[in-house]
Amino acid sequence: DIVMTQSPDSLAVSLGERATINCKSSQSVFYSSNNENYLAWYQQKPGQPPKLLIYWASTRESGVPDRFSGSGSGTDFTLTISSLQAEDVAVYYCQQYYSSPPFFGQGTKLEIK
Amino acid sequence: EVQLVESGGGLVQPGGSLRLSCAASGFTFSSYWMHWVRQAPGKGLVWVSRIDADGSTTTYADSVKGRFTISRDNAKNTLYLQMSSLRAEDTAVYYCARDKIVSAAHDAFDVWGQGTMVAVSS
Repeated sequence: DIVMTQSPDSLAVSLGERATINCKSSQSVFYSSNNENYLAWYQQKPGQPPKLLIYWASTRESGVPDRFSGSGSGTDFTLTISSLQAEDVAVYYCQQYYSSPPFFGQGTKLEIK
Repeated sequence: EVQLVESGGGLVQPGGSLRLSCAASGFTFSSYWMHWVRQAPGKGLVWVSRIDADGSTTTYADSVKGRFTISRDNAKNTLYLQMSSLRAEDTAVYYCARDKIVSAAHDAFDVWGQGTMVAVSS
């Protein structure tokens, strides 16, 4: 199984500042046949289901603001929010879908400082 | 509108059974792998099970293997999760979710239902 570990567990950032969340997989999730990293990021606000933000490690889902970006390859990945907005308060999860079971990270709670 | 709507949750005693349903609309249900994901109160997301587009291939998390059964009825555009021998640790909101790409076996989940709560308690 590929285990996902996020850091930090919680994060407080001032409005307009950059927020960075890290995700590490226990094995590479890079598939050389198609040159893709099988890594997704989700946002979950209280009382709501998760929402897909990023897939293939760096491709933004349709409708997701461009202040959200994903980077990384192999085993180390980052979700960056370039300028934090009040509506970005949420828990963020990474997920590998390279192999089954498609484990999620433990989540990172993002708050306003 | 692409939509998933779960139902069937509730309070059940330990050792009991429950069947969850997930009604799909707005897309060709029979073309997509589907998943169940659960979230215990105040905890993170945990993948539970998946089923391929025609229902012939299923996979389960170790924690539910032998107790839960995923199935689908493509004629009714509905996904199911039959849960038996329920334990307190199965208490969670259960979400159904769709793979982003048609017929993909390894994919992100782009559509989620609102979830249905299952509480296992005496």
